[in-house]
Amino acid sequence: EAEVAQSPRYKITEKSQAVAFWCDPISGHATLYWYRQILGQGPELLVQFQDESVVDDSQLPKDRFSAERLKGVDSTLKIQPAELGDSAMYLCASSLEEVSLRFFGQGTRLTVV
Amino acid sequence: AQKVTQAQTEISVVEKEDVTLDCVYETRDTTYYLFWYKQPPSGELVFLIRRNSFDEQNEISGRYSWNFQKSTSSFNFTITASQVVDSAVYFCALSEASTSGTYKYIFGTGTRLKVLA
Repeated sequence: EAEVAQSPRYKITEKSQAVAFWCDPISGHATLYWYRQILGQGPELLVQFQDESVVDDSQLPKDRFSAERLKGVDSTLKIQPAELGDSAMYLCASSLEEVSLRFFGQGTRLTVV
Repeated sequence: AQKVTQAQTEISVVEKEDVTLDCVYETRDTTYYLFWYKQPPSGELVFLIRRNSFDEQNEISGRYSWNFQKSTSSFNFTITASQVVDSAVYFCALSEASTSGTYKYIFGTGTRLKVLA
């Protein structure tokens, strides 16, 4: 069964360090999303890609967060420098097109100490 | 503004009991989608159901059923004869076109369901 792959599953990093997360969407899915989920809350969109282009990064803290999807397939989300408040689950999702159903990966649980 | 409210933070039931999870939404649009997702301890969001705003027909799928009422802006989810494996956090979500033309999912804060053996 096709699924969205994310790595690592868990990451512990010290504040001020750089950290990166990787996502491989379901094959053929043009739209890719990164969400952040703080404990006890629902996911919130950080950035949305259509193929290799960013179509929505209005909620991405651009002073420390960056995201890329260079070949329109897999994607990397980076935080530099990490802050204590960045501790959260980072979820990747993909869909065939924007209005299609979104499928989520298992997420990367980040702890910043 | 668009908003999804799941007033129940946590619900505990004994196995085989029925349980209903509430979801109330706010939107200005006439065209929108509503969803329920399940998030087990492993972390991924598992899709359960999607309804569009023009389809108020209620749906039953096995032990799951959904009650969509536009008049009260509610999209409630019922699990019949609950099982321990149903224990998870359940999210209700709303999707509508944003001012930038993209479709955003707005999630509620989730309801944690604990089914006790």
